[in-house]
Amino acid sequence: RKEVEQDPGPFNVPEGATVAFNCTYSNSASQSFFWYRQDCRKEPKLLMSVYSSGNEDGRFTAQLNRASQYISLLIRDSKLSDSATYLCVVNMLRILTGGGNKLTFGTGTQLKVEL
Amino acid sequence: DGGITQSPKYLFRKEGQNVTLSCEQNLNHDAMYWYRQDPGQGLRLIYYSQIVNDFQKGDIAEGYSVSREKKESFPLTVTSAQKNPTAFYLCASSIGGFPGQQETQYFGPGTRLLVL
Repeated sequence: RKEVEQDPGPFNVPEGATVAFNCTYSNSASQSFFWYRQDCRKEPKLLMSVYSSGNEDGRFTAQLNRASQYISLLIRDSKLSDSATYLCVVNMLRILTGGGNKLTFGTGTQLKVEL
Repeated sequence: DGGITQSPKYLFRKEGQNVTLSCEQNLNHDAMYWYRQDPGQGLRLIYYSQIVNDFQKGDIAEGYSVSREKKESFPLTVTSAQKNPTAFYLCASSIGGFPGQQETQYFGPGTRLLVL
């Protein structure tokens, strides 16, 4: 089982649709969670952190379910510009030698928003 | 502007050649990281450095080397021992902190390495 699992997609949705992605993680002790967005042939960029109570940033809502060990990202009123790959990232509390924590990246879910 | 820069954007390597990828940041971050991204795979950690003059191997360090002589710079050398170097290489940095602290990482634009 992968440490962080995502459905690779692609998710093809019409403009204006609501789309949701899920991500499961294997380590129940994981402490912090993130969603990154990666455009084709570009670097990942932080979209939002995911907090225990859930959080919202405009059209984007992130939820955390610790009991089931998954996080979700909901995009409302999707735009053409939302087309990208969305990476689920988990801090698994794996202490790195010398300090700090290792982030584990999912392989990403591809979203294509169409007219 | 504060940020992370990587150069070159594209790099071609001949068989048996060592090449060095540059990574510079002016965010005053203590921690820096090198990742490799291959199609269909998540980012894999090559090397990381939590502080100047110290660095540690990540999950796939074989065939790579790094140095951290300055806080703002963390170059990666892909040696001839790396048999499958073609990939997208990403450098990242974070504030650096104690275990358990939330560690948001910020990425540079990446270097795409191709073998001739």
